[in-house]
Amino acid sequence: KAGVTQTPRYLIKTRGQQVTLSCSPISGHRSVSWYQQTPGQGLQFLFEYFSETQRNKGNFPGRFSGRQFSNSRSEMNVSTLELGDSALYLCASSGSPGTGERGEAFFGQGTRLTVV
Amino acid sequence: AQSVTQLGSHVSVSEGALVLLRCNYSSSVPPYLFWYVQYPNQGLQLLLKYTSAATLVKGINGFEAEFKKSETSFHLTKPSAHMSDAAEYFCAVSDRRTDKLIFGTGTRLQVFP
Repeated sequence: KAGVTQTPRYLIKTRGQQVTLSCSPISGHRSVSWYQQTPGQGLQFLFEYFSETQRNKGNFPGRFSGRQFSNSRSEMNVSTLELGDSALYLCASSGSPGTGERGEAFFGQGTRLTVV
Repeated sequence: AQSVTQLGSHVSVSEGALVLLRCNYSSSVPPYLFWYVQYPNQGLQLLLKYTSAATLVKGINGFEAEFKKSETSFHLTKPSAHMSDAAEYFCAVSDRRTDKLIFGTGTRLQVFP
């Protein structure tokens, strides 16, 4: 089956702009998590959505937001971009609770965001 | 709070040599533990996972890891390194209550011919 798809793969934005990244999970997966990866901070958890509800949230400012649609596709939005937001943003999907698969995340290839 | 610590941000080995990447975890409950690999400009790929069944876990590409509760460790090994193993490796622990993955800082593996 198809893997996790993230679009776009690369993005260049200017400081102050906003950006929306998209993630389509593996078919049948209802949980989508987002991570920010930077050389200095490593992999940091942004938030997780399950059945259109945010279940977990990391320690990021309110400029970072997300949502999940009824088909489990998810978007994350970053407003008022700062230079420090330049990073690889990774999306991961997981199976539903109670299946024993929870915690095994399947990652997309990421969106490389560069803020100039 | 759960956490993982990866000792050594860079590890270099010769092709054919043993690979040993270290991971120690901190958890107040039996953890789920994972090793992921990331190739340049790619996402993360699951190598193997420990979910309280066998303590020696075999993964893809010849990698394996042993869960040692007494040492709170989950080190990743491969008997013979291959050039294609060069990548960044991440150890992660899953919070059983929230299912949130908490990653270590990663270890970059270099393999020399």
